[in-house]
Amino acid sequence: IQLTQSPSSLSASVGDRVTITCRASQSVSDSLNWYQQKPGQAPKVVIYAASTVQRGVPSRISGSGSGTDFTLTINPLQPEDFATYFCQQSYSIPSTFGQGTRLE
Amino acid sequence: QVQLQQWGAGLLKPSETLSLTCAVHGESLSGQQWSWIRQTPAKGLEWIGEINPSGSTYYNPSLSGRVTISVDTSKNQLSLNLNSVTAADSAMYYCVKVSSTTWSPEYFHTWGQGTLVSVSS
Repeated sequence: IQLTQSPSSLSASVGDRVTITCRASQSVSDSLNWYQQKPGQAPKVVIYAASTVQRGVPSRISGSGSGTDFTLTINPLQPEDFATYFCQQSYSIPSTFGQGTRLE
Repeated sequence: QVQLQQWGAGLLKPSETLSLTCAVHGESLSGQQWSWIRQTPAKGLEWIGEINPSGSTYYNPSLSGRVTISVDTSKNQLSLNLNSVTAADSAMYYCVKVSSTTWSPEYFHTWGQGTLVSVSS
């Protein structure tokens, strides 16, 4: 299953509302997760099962969607949110990732 | 809280075998699901494979049977072996704990710090 994220990069400012999209080549139901990665660090899950916020992640980060179309929203954007975000599907093996969206 | 500490050779020659180990701290490896994932700037994140609580393994077909994932419950460690490496296998490799429950889809819950592997003659 191919995952296509858009945009590939996004310029934004603190306080903005930003939305990242992930489209799957076939339905993945709600088996879609989002990860945040900062330079020099491993990825960290922020959203799982399409819309569940991982414990410890601020509520300004949210996810929605099902089937083939998903979104990650950050509102309002804070300085610590500038990072690269990846979507990932766990619906079928092999698990696959989107190419990433760099938020700068 | 579980922590993953990984290590292994960082520089390999073509045709050699990549071997990485991941020690699990803070909980028992048994009864959990574990994965290996690698990352390159060019190809992004690639799932290598996983081992489930019953010991069954699943691998990415793209690795063409070169990969083996195993666990040593006595040492609470997870291992990755990838044979016949080429330059295309140069990447940052991560061991990962998988959150796998009956009520929620799987996701990659906890990641190791990563091991950078370079393959060069």
